[in-house]
Amino acid sequence: GAVVSQHPSWVICKSGTSVKIECRSLDFQATTMFWYRQFPKQSLMLMATSNEGSKATYEQGVEKDKFLINHASLTLSTLTVTSAHPEDSSFYICSASRRDGYGYTFGSGTRLTVV
Amino acid sequence: SQQGEEDPQALSIQEGENATMNCSYKTSINNLQWYRQNSGRGLVHLILIRSNEREKHSGRLRVTLDTSKKSSSLLITASRAADTASYFCATHPQTALIFGKGTTLSVSS
Repeated sequence: GAVVSQHPSWVICKSGTSVKIECRSLDFQATTMFWYRQFPKQSLMLMATSNEGSKATYEQGVEKDKFLINHASLTLSTLTVTSAHPEDSSFYICSASRRDGYGYTFGSGTRLTVV
Repeated sequence: SQQGEEDPQALSIQEGENATMNCSYKTSINNLQWYRQNSGRGLVHLILIRSNEREKHSGRLRVTLDTSKKSSSLLITASRAADTASYFCATHPQTALIFGKGTTLSVSS
């Protein structure tokens, strides 16, 4: 149990376009979802925390207008990278915490390359 | 922000040897977790140790926790080439998991 599906696993887009990444909890209700960004050979950096039905809370230095997060249901959160630039190229990973508070489950990540 | 710092940053060993990674953290914790990440992949949860525990075992993994020093260690015994990965400690001072910088382990056969 406790599976989080993240799509796409990789995407290449042109500069200036927007990309949407989906994160779904398949067999549990995720009251809170988290989005992380990971640059090569570095650790995961928390970008934002989203609770179902409310606005996401962004970490310092993360542009909320650039990284749009929607958590419209207990099983789906989306991250949209708007007007992507090459410096946004990174590995994005979502995580979900269960309603019963048991642990964190991670998606398999999305490799974004902006050309 | 990052809660933890691991050392070493990189570790290369031979199959069969033990690998020890250390993690230090900054704030008080309820528990500390260790994760593994294969290159370019998602995270796999390895083990969780609670703040009132000093040591925990899971298969070839042994984790220690010293809350007075705000540090933890992960020992992988009898390493295998398949253990090659990055290892991160993580705590959640608030809601989200915050990760350390990680140790990249390379096990050669």
